[in-house]
Amino acid sequence: GEKVEQHESTLSVREGDSAVINCTYTDTASSYFPWYKQEAGKSLHFVIDIRSNVDRKQSQRLIVLLDKKAKRFSLHITATQPEDSAIYFCAPYNTNTGKLTFGDGTVLTVKP
Amino acid sequence: DTTVKQNPRYKLARVGKPVNLICSQTMNHDTMYWYQKKPNQAPKLLLFYYDKILNREADTFEKFQSSRPNNSFCSLYIGSAGLEYSAMYLCASSRVGYNQAPLFGEGTRLSVL
Repeated sequence: GEKVEQHESTLSVREGDSAVINCTYTDTASSYFPWYKQEAGKSLHFVIDIRSNVDRKQSQRLIVLLDKKAKRFSLHITATQPEDSAIYFCAPYNTNTGKLTFGDGTVLTVKP
Repeated sequence: DTTVKQNPRYKLARVGKPVNLICSQTMNHDTMYWYQKKPNQAPKLLLFYYDKILNREADTFEKFQSSRPNNSFCSLYIGSAGLEYSAMYLCASSRVGYNQAPLFGEGTRLSVL
């Protein structure tokens, strides 16, 4: 089955700096790559995604990069704010099976 | 309504007693998922329905059951709760093949005592 690894278990940055979270996966059938955010005590909320036919996508302060050859994708948060503090999960999605497999999560702390 | 609803939000159960959790969506999504989430762990897929077909993960096959009487509704059933079942249970739904991120409900926090 799919193995998903998030390389940073914790990440601490100063407000205004950039944060980068990396994710690798093993299943070549994964073709869609969303990121989710979990705030304390809450559920998972979708933040941004990237499809396998592109290698970069930006939505305001969020950028996702995809390297299909390396089976790696990353989330870049620019100009971080304290409200960006949360746990971020990558979750490669196999559109054939409908399965979403999560990484272990990265705890991002943005210090004022 | 573009939300996934879960009931109840909090559930207290006794060891050995059954637990039934409920999820609903009105977006005509063909797939509904149940995940278990414990602190400091990745969400773990328990099972999912694609239309009327139930897919259960091998390592949780005997622990959880589910039903989907119609497109909008899906339940998760624990026949005999153990302490290890204490967790957040997350329901999600999506339309397979559309490359859209599954949408999650707010979750049910289950505490087994």
